[in-house]
Amino acid sequence: QQQVKQSPQSLIVQKGGISIINCAYENTAFDYFPWYQQFPGKGPALLIAIRPDVSEKKEGRFTISFNKSAKQFSLHIMDSQPGDSATYFCAGLQGGYNKLIFGAGTRLAVHP
Amino acid sequence: NAGVTQTPKFRVLKTGQSMTLLCAQDMNHEYMYWYRQDPGMGLRLIHYSVGEGTTAKGEVPDGYNVSRLKKQNFLLGLESAAPSQTSVYFCASSRQGYTEAFFGQGTRLTVV
Repeated sequence: QQQVKQSPQSLIVQKGGISIINCAYENTAFDYFPWYQQFPGKGPALLIAIRPDVSEKKEGRFTISFNKSAKQFSLHIMDSQPGDSATYFCAGLQGGYNKLIFGAGTRLAVHP
Repeated sequence: NAGVTQTPKFRVLKTGQSMTLLCAQDMNHEYMYWYRQDPGMGLRLIHYSVGEGTTAKGEVPDGYNVSRLKKQNFLLGLESAAPSQTSVYFCASSRQGYTEAFFGQGTRLTVV
């Protein structure tokens, strides 16, 4: 049973456009919701994260929107750049020992 | 400052062979994890450790064993490799009280 569902699987955006990736979770025990960015041949790296008591968090061109009642959260990348081309994973973190439950991932391609 | 280092980076095994993947971190983190990454499934937690001498099962532990004899090292063993264990394996570590996980560069394992 997939605890974190992520969509779309792949996304193509033109340079300067907005990239939107959505996630839904089932486990209400998650107490932190990070997004990880992964470039080919590399390990994932933390991009941005949000706590469930906050509805939005913005860091530069990256924004997380969080809807606790709907158990959904999304990543918005404004002014998308070719350098943003990567695979993005949403996740839920189970407190105590920082165990991450990941979504399936979204492969983003930003075309010049 | 190496962070999380995985050895080896690539490996091909024959069905039934055994091997050990080594993870080393130099950040003095308490928590360490092994994930496997498969297309369309994101990263799934295999085993984790919350301190030297401790291990615990994650989402997909069957067919794997782990050991953490030293705080900086976390070993993942495959006793009898199967084609279903063909995957990219990532080690990660995190600091107690903090939520960010730091990942290694991955080990691509093919079982034929």
